Amino acid sequence: KNQVEQSPQSLIILEGKNCTLQCNYTVSPFSNLRWYKQDTGRGPVSLTIMTFSENTKSNGRYTATLDADTKQSSLHITASQLSDSASYICVVSGGSNYQLIWGAGTKLIIKP
Amino acid sequence: NAGVTQTPKFRVLKTGQSMTLLCAQDMNHEYMYWYRQDPGMGLRLIHYSVGEGTTAKGEVPDGYNVSRLKKQNFLLGLESAAPSQTSVYFCASRLERGPTYEQYFGPGTRLTVT
Repeated sequence: KNQVEQSPQSLIILEGKNCTLQCNYTVSPFSNLRWYKQDTGRGPVSLTIMTFSENTKSNGRYTATLDADTKQSSLHITASQLSDSASYICVVSGGSNYQLIWGAGTKLIIKP
Repeated sequence: NAGVTQTPKFRVLKTGQSMTLLCAQDMNHEYMYWYRQDPGMGLRLIHYSVGEGTTAKGEVPDGYNVSRLKKQNFLLGLESAAPSQTSVYFCASRLERGPTYEQYFGPGTRLTVT
């Protein structure tokens, strides 16, 4: 069964600290992997999209990595800011018709 | 350029009532989607459309109907609401046909069925 699992479910860190969120997937065939940021009460917004051949992609203070062999991805946030408080969702595109399989998200809280 | 908008933002229904959620996009996108988001779960696709006048079922279509009479609008209908349909509903659209397409989401509609 195509699945995307994220860990941890929630995370609290102090402003200025770094953190890493994890994503494991069992999606076949694999097309690409996305990370979205979802602020409370808003729709998801894309941070990165990585294909099979890409193992690192950055978007400002966000860096995503992909290991297609182990079917794992991580999202690293550097020098966190209060505005980084949000849910971060890992999404894998694959299976038939490039369907999107959504993870449940990691809820990140940044404390001053 | 408003992007993707959704109407209404909040709604409370009684079991058995009907309603229609409206999604509008001004980006001339071909593809449009309706998702629901429930606590502790990933977004689930309800219905989608690959162009004006076309619709298709997603992962959880039961209890919902959709229509795409105009390219910029995608309507989601609940004919007889049930408490299990309490959720946050998101509309999305996309233009590109390739596998690394970008989806753009609306702000969501929070629906409570009592």
